[in-house]
Amino acid sequence: QSALTQPPSASGSPGQSVTISCTGTSSDVGGYNYVSWYQQHPGKAPKPMIYEVSKRPSGVPDRFSGSKSGNMASLTVSGLQAEDEADYYCSSYAGSNVLFGGGTKLTVL
Amino acid sequence: QLQLQESGPGLVEPSETLSLTCPVSGGSISSSSYYWGWIRQPPGKGLEWIGSIYYSGSTYYNPSLKSRVTISVDTSKNQISLKLSSVTAADAAVYYCASFATYFYDSGGYSSSHYFDHWGQGTLVAVSS
Repeated sequence: QSALTQPPSASGSPGQSVTISCTGTSSDVGGYNYVSWYQQHPGKAPKPMIYEVSKRPSGVPDRFSGSKSGNMASLTVSGLQAEDEADYYCSSYAGSNVLFGGGTKLTVL
Repeated sequence: QLQLQESGPGLVEPSETLSLTCPVSGGSISSSSYYWGWIRQPPGKGLEWIGSIYYSGSTYYNPSLKSRVTISVDTSKNQISLKLSSVTAADAAVYYCASFATYFYDSGGYSSSHYFDHWGQGTLVAVSS
């Protein structure tokens, strides 16, 4: 199984919107509505931000949204804030397997 | 609120077996709504799923690690364990245990989920002689 494909970096200014993509195959991202996104600050454990493509866990700001089209999922962060600067990982549950993307470093300029 | 905490040696010699445990508090490991997983992250790199286990003992492993990995569950101790054999420098990483929620009930009734909702703080394991 191969990791999901994410851009290594993304950036935006405070208040702007940024979208991070996550590309898989029809066997994972495209085959299941089980894409999740995790935020990770340096030295910290990952924190779930989106699950099942577009649902937000309790406590996650609605500035974070997710979507999917075919084999590609996306995470959009609207109204960028300084604290959003972190690494973001997508993940897809695919039956008996779980795949992660390589991670995207989001920089708030 | 579930809490997970990885524990085990911070240093393992090459070719030896890495062993970690993860006791769970704040909930039962026998909950039908959860799987329990191990994920690792080499320094400066991304996340890699190692495998998951259900309280019944059913296991699911990353094909790339399957020949070296054993994940087990001890319901009496409310904990899961990880064993990774024949380690090399490539196995040096922060190892996380996490709960994988498949559904939950709230004020809106039943909701499907399928994601790692609670994570331990992680434990760094180095491989060196």
